[in-house]
Order: sequence, then C-alpha cells, then structure tokens
Amino acid sequence: SQTIHQWPATLVQPVGSPLSLECTVEGTSNPNLYWYRQAAGRGLQLLFYSVGIGQISSEVPQNLSASRPQDRQFILSSKKLLLSDSGFYLCAWSALGAWDEQFFGPGTRLTVL
Amino acid sequence: AQSVTQLDSQVPVFEEAPVELRCNYSSSVSVYLFWYVQYPNQGLQLLLKYLSGSTLVKGINGFEAEFNKSQTSFHLRKPSVHISDTAEYFCAVLTGGGNKLTFGTGTQLKVEL
Repeated sequence: SQTIHQWPATLVQPVGSPLSLECTVEGTSNPNLYWYRQAAGRGLQLLFYSVGIGQISSEVPQNLSASRPQDRQFILSSKKLLLSDSGFYLCAWSALGAWDEQFFGPGTRLTVL
Repeated sequence: AQSVTQLDSQVPVFEEAPVELRCNYSSSVSVYLFWYVQYPNQGLQLLLKYLSGSTLVKGINGFEAEFNKSQTSFHLRKPSVHISDTAEYFCAVLTGGGNKLTFGTGTQLKVEL
C-alpha cells in the first residue's frame, strides 16, 4: 500500500532563517506531488505541484520554492522566512494521469517568530 | 475557472442530530467533486467522491452526499452525528486537466452533547 511521509512534524524558525520541508511517498511510481499551505482560519492554498522529476508548477508568487530531486521526493524550501510563512503545510500525491483523489500527508506545523 | 463555495464556516449541532454541510460549485464542464475531513493537526482524509454515475454517493463514517447538477451543489449529510465527527470538512473540485484540486474554505463541524 502507499504511504506518504512528511517531516518535521513541527518547526519553529526565526524570521530570515532558511526552510526545508521534505515529503516522500512509498508504494507508488510517477505520482503527481503537491504542496499546500493552510493558514489559520483559511482554507487550503495550492503552492506547487509536480508531474515529474524536475517539473515544478508554481501556483502563487511567494517566498517559497519547491524541488523534486527524485521521483517520490518533494521538497519545499525558502532562503529567508517571513512571518507570513507561518502555517500548516501539507504534502499530497495522486496517481499520474488519473482524474481521482489526492492522498495527504500528516502535515508540518511551521511557526515563524 | 472552476471553484467551490462553502457558505457555512461553522456548524454547531447536537449529538445524534442530523447535519448538512453545504457546497456549491461553479463549472461549465464535467465536474469531479470530493469531500475531505481534517481532524485537528492532521492531514486530510477522503470522505467520499463523485466522479460519475449515481448522484447519491456514500462515504466513510456514515456520510453521504448528493450531486445536483441543476443546483450546482454537492451537499454533505449525515443522519446522526457523533462527538467524534467534530472536525473541519472541505469540499473540493478537480481542475487543471485533472491534476489539481481546488478547495473550499472549509466548514468547522462542532458536535456537542
């Protein structure tokens, strides 16, 4: 069966520090991969998605970037965090080419102070 | 662009009472609709989905939803809620050539004794 992992589970970082969140998927090949952010009291905002290694689509202009160095690895990064980057970050995957559901990881709670 | 609207940000209900969480979508093409549930500090879990076929869709935990094309709605229902149903519920529509989910802003369901 497929599983999706995210780490760390929680993170507290000072403003201006770098960020690296990692997501890995097991049990499937060539997945679509997604990064979402959920800010307090708001819905889910799609940040990036990827349909293959090295292929990243950015949905909103922001202080973050994403990379997919391996088929089942998706990384969310920032060079300098802002206060507004605080939130709950969710990684998800779906089967490539399938018009169907996405499967979500457990999330990372990021607090920028 | 396809979108979903969840008009109710919070729905309080007593245990064992019925509940309906509303979702309306906008689309000029075929739609694929989903309901996800999110328990505190966790990722999202699929409740049910409508891809095609019967307009009444049954999901996990006793939830069901009805796809109504004429009213462009996909409301979520449960005839008798439990305390454990307290969570946030998101309606979503598949967009972007089948690669992306667009989420509503979520409805917080609070079940009280």
